[in-house]
Amino acid sequence: AQSVTQPDIHITVSEGASLELRCNYSYGATPYLFWYVQSPGQGLQLLLKYFSGDTLVQGIKGFEAEFKRSQSSFNLRKPSVHWSDAAEYFCAVALLSGNTPLVFGKGTRLSVIA
Amino acid sequence: GAVVSQHPSRVICKSGTSVKIECRSLDFQATTMFWYRQFPKQSLMLMATSNEGSKATYEQGVEKDKFLINHASLTLSTLTVTSAHPEDSSFYICSAPRFPNTGELFFGEGSRLTVL
Repeated sequence: AQSVTQPDIHITVSEGASLELRCNYSYGATPYLFWYVQSPGQGLQLLLKYFSGDTLVQGIKGFEAEFKRSQSSFNLRKPSVHWSDAAEYFCAVALLSGNTPLVFGKGTRLSVIA
Repeated sequence: GAVVSQHPSRVICKSGTSVKIECRSLDFQATTMFWYRQFPKQSLMLMATSNEGSKATYEQGVEKDKFLINHASLTLSTLTVTSAHPEDSSFYICSAPRFPNTGELFFGEGSRLTVL
């Protein structure tokens, strides 16, 4: 079965510092890949997605992610973190075709300190 | 863009009562909708897949008689938590793929259920 691993449960970074959140997936083929952000008590907001093509994907709020097939990874990055980026981040995958649900990682909680 | 709307966003009920949560696709038709549950500080877990005009399919461990799903139209799916208990308190989120399927799911805002 497909699975998503986010190895970091909680990350703390200083405001203005760079950020990388790790995501690895296990699946026989290249799935659709997503990163979502969730603020406390809120729903999910899509940051970016990868379906095919350029392996470096730009998203909203200055985030980007790079798909590395050889490593089965889709890490999320941001060059300079803002205090408002503090939230829970979820990596997710879906099958390539059909009406299939997303499988989510367990999430990484990001704290931003001054 | 596509929008999926959930109602209510928050609901508090007494133990033993039933609660209905609606999920609507506002500008597209959704033959399939997915219902997720998220316990505090945990990830989203798929509960069931709602199919328009047919029975929902439930994930292992999800009681179909407790979580009734009805997908009566191409824009509306409902989740009814029957005889709710405090352990059913959770954040319930629906999602729907746009047709034709592009692989992207659109999520509702979520419904926070608190059972007293």
